[in-house]
Amino acid sequence: QSVLTQPPSASGTPGQRVTISCSGSSPNIGSNYVYWYQQLPGTAPKLLIHRDNQRPSGVPDRFSGSKSGTSASLAISGLRSEDEAEYYCAAWDDRLNVVFGGGTRLTVL
Amino acid sequence: QVQLQESGPGLVKPSQTLSLTCTVSGGSISSEDYFWSWIRQQPGKGLEWIGYIYYSGNTYYNPSLKSRVTISVDTSMNHFSLKLNSVTAADTAIYYCARGERANFDYWGQGTLVTVSS
Repeated sequence: QSVLTQPPSASGTPGQRVTISCSGSSPNIGSNYVYWYQQLPGTAPKLLIHRDNQRPSGVPDRFSGSKSGTSASLAISGLRSEDEAEYYCAAWDDRLNVVFGGGTRLTVL
Repeated sequence: QVQLQESGPGLVKPSQTLSLTCTVSGGSISSEDYFWSWIRQQPGKGLEWIGYIYYSGNTYYNPSLKSRVTISVDTSMNHFSLKLNSVTAADTAIYYCARGERANFDYWGQGTLVTVSS
């Protein structure tokens, strides 16, 4: 059971906008930055969003992050087939731990 | 461009110690700006943070693994290491090393699969 809660799956058609939610609590999302990772099949995770809504260099602006209270969301606009991957949210928890969501498998139909 | 590479045995017997090393290239592990982390992923499951270390040797561990984990750093070799003792089948996972801390991991190794089996 993950500390951060994500839907196990999401889907969309090419060109659509998809959002993935991440629910936490006061000691983690409520008090610290949220990070999002993309894991393509058979590869290591890649940092997609840092500090709630900042994109690292090289990440397309189709990807955006937001946070409100103890929940966060990742939005992907203009969905492409290459976006099919597992997406994880993560945050520092003030109980001295890095916590991850269980992951959301995104399918591009 | 910073690169990280995990190395170590792919098979460990139950009750023994898992030992992995992460070699950093393209950057100095002695940088004051970064921590160096270990994260694992059980087959078909999500990510689990193991711990991280600063070049000075300061360490921070996942409370659930703390009693079995030791992370160390060798600045002369530009690498850091993981030891996990008393392993069981539940420790079978892909082990990743990464640069960063507090959930902010910007560079990752490719990962190495460690299987615990007799």
